[in-house]
Amino acid sequence: GDSVTQMEGPVTLSEEAFLTINCTYTATGYPSLFWYVQYPGEGLQLLLKATKADDKGSNKGFEATYRKETTSFHLEKGSVQVSDSAVYFCALSDQVKAAGNKLTFGGGTRVLVKP
Amino acid sequence: DADVTQTPRNRITKTGKRIMLECSQTKGHDRMYWYRQDPGLGLRLIYYSFDVKDINKGEISDGYSVSRQAQAKFSLSLESAIPNQTALYFCATRTDNRNEAFFGQGTRLTVV
Repeated sequence: GDSVTQMEGPVTLSEEAFLTINCTYTATGYPSLFWYVQYPGEGLQLLLKATKADDKGSNKGFEATYRKETTSFHLEKGSVQVSDSAVYFCALSDQVKAAGNKLTFGGGTRVLVKP
Repeated sequence: DADVTQTPRNRITKTGKRIMLECSQTKGHDRMYWYRQDPGLGLRLIYYSFDVKDINKGEISDGYSVSRQAQAKFSLSLESAIPNQTALYFCATRTDNRNEAFFGQGTRLTVV
């Protein structure tokens, strides 16, 4: 079945550091890929998405490129801020009907940015 | 008002009690989902519904049941709560398989 693997945290960084969170996936068909962010005490919010190979999703300085050849969707930000402290989830939605139309999540990566 | 509203936000209940978590949405989406979040395990799907008459089990449906009362309402029930059902529960809605889901703010459930 479908699965998403992302690096375990916590990841602790200083402000203005470069952030990378690795995400790889296994899917039956050709999935759409997502990054969600969860701030303390809140629900998940969509951060960015990509729906086909080589697409790049971007938002709030974050970027991720859909790499079909490596089945990856790594999240990057060039200069993090304290306000980026959150839990980040990689997710996929398989387009193949047999996959059950589900949204499958990775385990989440907690990021802590220190001043 | 939030697009996806969950009630209650926090609940403590005793082992063996029946409890219902409610979710309502104003987005007009047909697809609704219940997820459970545990530390280090990400979100796991409990049940999902594509419309009022179409309800499906997710990967961890044992011990849970759902009711889709209307397009806008999707309730999750624990018939007899047990301590390992202590978790953060999220409701979500979605237009279709290609696009993102919209989440409620979560219900923190503690079973003692």
